[in-house]
Amino acid sequence: AQTVTQSQPEMSVQEAETVTLSCTYDTSENNYYLFWYKQPPSRQMILVIRQEAYKQQNATENRFSVNFQKAAKSFSLKISDSQLGDTAMYFCAFMGANDYKLSFGAGTTVTVRA
Amino acid sequence: KAGVTQTPRYLIKTRGQQVTLSCSPISGHRSVSWYQQTPGQGLQFLFEYFSETQRNKGNFPGRFSGRQFSNSRSEMNVSTLELGDSALYLCASRTGPSSNQPQHFGDGTRLSIL
Repeated sequence: AQTVTQSQPEMSVQEAETVTLSCTYDTSENNYYLFWYKQPPSRQMILVIRQEAYKQQNATENRFSVNFQKAAKSFSLKISDSQLGDTAMYFCAFMGANDYKLSFGAGTTVTVRA
Repeated sequence: KAGVTQTPRYLIKTRGQQVTLSCSPISGHRSVSWYQQTPGQGLQFLFEYFSETQRNKGNFPGRFSGRQFSNSRSEMNVSTLELGDSALYLCASRTGPSSNQPQHFGDGTRLSIL
């Protein structure tokens, strides 16, 4: 079974600054997909960014970017120019190429301060 | 395009009762998955349906069941409710069961057991 570890339970960042969330995973598979989801107090789980393991280029979506280190099994999320609306819990998730479910980390609560 | 719709948003039940939760996927999405989210266990996979067939099931007792209709809408049923079933139940849909297609989540149903 895949294990996803998020070692930072909480993080706080000043508005307009940058914050980086860490995520490591354990798998023996070579092909897989990694995701970052955001869950604000409204509860809806929103897909932030996705990375295919076979792609060396790090994924970027506007102010969100990842640092994918396949050999180290590390998948960190960088939020640039943080906004108050970024306040949420962020989950790192893994899905194997032949898998059917997402395996989630415990989550990191991010608070953006005005 | 409308997102994943889950009803009801909140539900309060007592021990021993049963409950049915509903999920309408994004139009065109034929795969529906259910997850249970609790503070202690985090996000755990319940089951996945595709073309009205349960394709996969997580490690939950038989009290948890579900089904999918021809229009891809899905229902989840929990019988003989226990206090530990109190959780946020999230439904996610995607176009098909292939792992390279991201799952899109609804707002969830908050189930409280008294």
